Amino acid sequence: NAGVTQTPKFQVLKTGQSMTLQCAQDMNHEYMSWYRQDPGMGLRLIHYSVGAGITDQGEVPNGYNVSRSTTEDFPLRLLSAAPSQTSVYFCASSYSERPNYGYTFGSGTRLTVV
Amino acid sequence: SQKIEQNSEALNIQEGKTATLTCNYTNYSPAYLQWYRQDPGRGPVFLLLIRENEKEKRKERLKVTFDTTLKQSLFHITASQPADSATYLCALVPNSGYALNFGKGTSLLVTP
Repeated sequence: NAGVTQTPKFQVLKTGQSMTLQCAQDMNHEYMSWYRQDPGMGLRLIHYSVGAGITDQGEVPNGYNVSRSTTEDFPLRLLSAAPSQTSVYFCASSYSERPNYGYTFGSGTRLTVV
Repeated sequence: SQKIEQNSEALNIQEGKTATLTCNYTNYSPAYLQWYRQDPGRGPVFLLLIRENEKEKRKERLKVTFDTTLKQSLFHITASQPADSATYLCALVPNSGYALNFGKGTSLLVTP
């Protein structure tokens, strides 16, 4: 059971480039979400999805797009990378948005925008 | 504004003692509260969940209390070990939604 898999683990982008952070889970979880973690800021919610075809914005959605075409995958797209998007990105999943236990997190993608 | 506050200063304790971490929240009506552990370079790992109508939850050496009057949760690790050294995150889901909102975490260092 792989859990939540994030790729790549590390990435360096130039300002203005685009890229997609991949997130896949094999637990048949309906709820998936993306967070970014910055020093002194804690984890902040970017986007989330309560099921295939349904997405919504979190606290810091600007500059990011998501889609959910399957239950397993929830990619995060940076359309035009900016240095302010330098961060560690975590994907998390759960069987529902109000689970009886916690979320399962991936191991993260460390992104640097130069 | 809504806030989830955890001790910003690191907590240093001696092995064998009980570690107590605090999570205070303002302008939230939480449906439930969760605690996670995060090690450097890793994603958070779920530890315990406590609902608004529960006062206390236990799991092995871990105990969580939840006081909705004080708007506070306490997280206890008894008989602490150096392997318990990590950052501990408090998170809650409000009654009005289902986004999991995190505090900034408290770093715990257990020394032999």
